[in-house]
Amino acid sequence: AQTVTQSQPEMSVQEAETVTLSCTYDTSESDYYLFWYKQPPSRQMILVIRQEAYKQQNATENRFSVNFQKAAKSFSLKISDSQLGDAAMYFCAYKEGNNRKLIWGLGTSLAVNP
Amino acid sequence: ETGVTQSPTHLIKTRGQQVTLRCSSQSGHNTVSWYQQALGQGPQFIFQYYREEENGRGNFPPRFSGLQFPNYSSELNVNALELDDSALYLCASSSRGSVDEQFFGPGTRLTVL
Repeated sequence: AQTVTQSQPEMSVQEAETVTLSCTYDTSESDYYLFWYKQPPSRQMILVIRQEAYKQQNATENRFSVNFQKAAKSFSLKISDSQLGDAAMYFCAYKEGNNRKLIWGLGTSLAVNP
Repeated sequence: ETGVTQSPTHLIKTRGQQVTLRCSSQSGHNTVSWYQQALGQGPQFIFQYYREEENGRGNFPPRFSGLQFPNYSSELNVNALELDDSALYLCASSSRGSVDEQFFGPGTRLTVL
């Protein structure tokens, strides 16, 4: 069965600095998608960035980028120039190409210190 | 473009009761997925509906059931509530496709006493 592991329950970063959140996953599939979602105290899950497994190039969205290591089954999220509004729970999620459900990690709570 | 909405925001029930949670999908989306998120956990997939038919189910008992309507809105029904059903229930809508990027509503916080 596919699993997603986030080994850092809590992380903190100083405002304007860079932080990296880790995620590993286990699958025997070749066609899948990976996502990072942010869940602020308002509870609404917001998509931060996604990566298609067939793409070798790492996805980037403004200050957010990923380091996708397919062979190592690793999918880390880098947040550059951290802002106070980045404080939230961050979830890594996996989806097979033909499957509809998302499989989630336990999340990493990110604190941003002024 | 209207986002995903859920109602109610909060709900308190007692053991053994039944509850119905509602979700309106984002404009243009025909697929709705439901997730249960216990405190301090990641979401767990309950089931998904596509064109009014159940299209995949997670490891949840039959007392968790759902509906999707012609306008693609959806309901999650839970019978015979148990204390462990206390959680945040998230609804996500998407368009049928390979990426199936899911957009989430704000959730319904259910407390079972």
